[in-house]
Amino acid sequence: KAGVTQTPRYLIKTRGQQVTLSCSPISGHRSVSWYQQTPGQGLQFLFEYFSETQRNKGNFPGRFSGRQFSNSRSEMNVSTLELGDSALYLCASSLNRGNGDGYTFGSGTRLTVV
Amino acid sequence: AQKVTQAQTEISVVEKEDVTLDCVYETRDTTYYLFWYKQPPSGELVFLIRRNSFDEQNEISGRYSWNFQKSTSSFNFTITASQVVDSAVYFCALSEFDNYGQNFVFGPGTRLSVLP
Repeated sequence: KAGVTQTPRYLIKTRGQQVTLSCSPISGHRSVSWYQQTPGQGLQFLFEYFSETQRNKGNFPGRFSGRQFSNSRSEMNVSTLELGDSALYLCASSLNRGNGDGYTFGSGTRLTVV
Repeated sequence: AQKVTQAQTEISVVEKEDVTLDCVYETRDTTYYLFWYKQPPSGELVFLIRRNSFDEQNEISGRYSWNFQKSTSSFNFTITASQVVDSAVYFCALSEFDNYGQNFVFGPGTRLSVLP
């Protein structure tokens, strides 16, 4: 079966712009989570969506937002980009939430802000 | 608060050597899950193992083995007879549950380089 698909794989944006990243979970998976990975901070949790509702949110400013559609696909948006937003953004899906399921990760979107 | 420590930032070994990656966790919960993920250069995190807090049995899968000890809050990962393809960053993670559901915390990762 298809894995978690993230698009685009690479993105270069200018400071001040906004960006939207997309994640298609494994078919049947209802929970989608987003992580930011940087060399300095490691893997940091952004947010989790389940049944089109944000269920959990990490410690990120309001410039970071997301949503989930009825088919479980998810998008995250970053507005007013800053140089420090350059990172690998990973999406992960799991069948449900709250039952210890491990995540299946996508290959990520590498965002570079110049 | 939950926390995962991987004290080894980088490890280099020569092919066929055995190597152990350490993971120490902190949690107040009695029910939790521990994971190991591998991140090759391609970027995707690959699931290796999940262990729940009530199952302290060690596990072996081919060249991989895991040692879970609740007494020392450790969940160490050993690769036997390492190969160049094992070169990657390895993450240990802890999952516990609060009012919002599952809460995942990753360790900082250990970069393993296996030299030919």
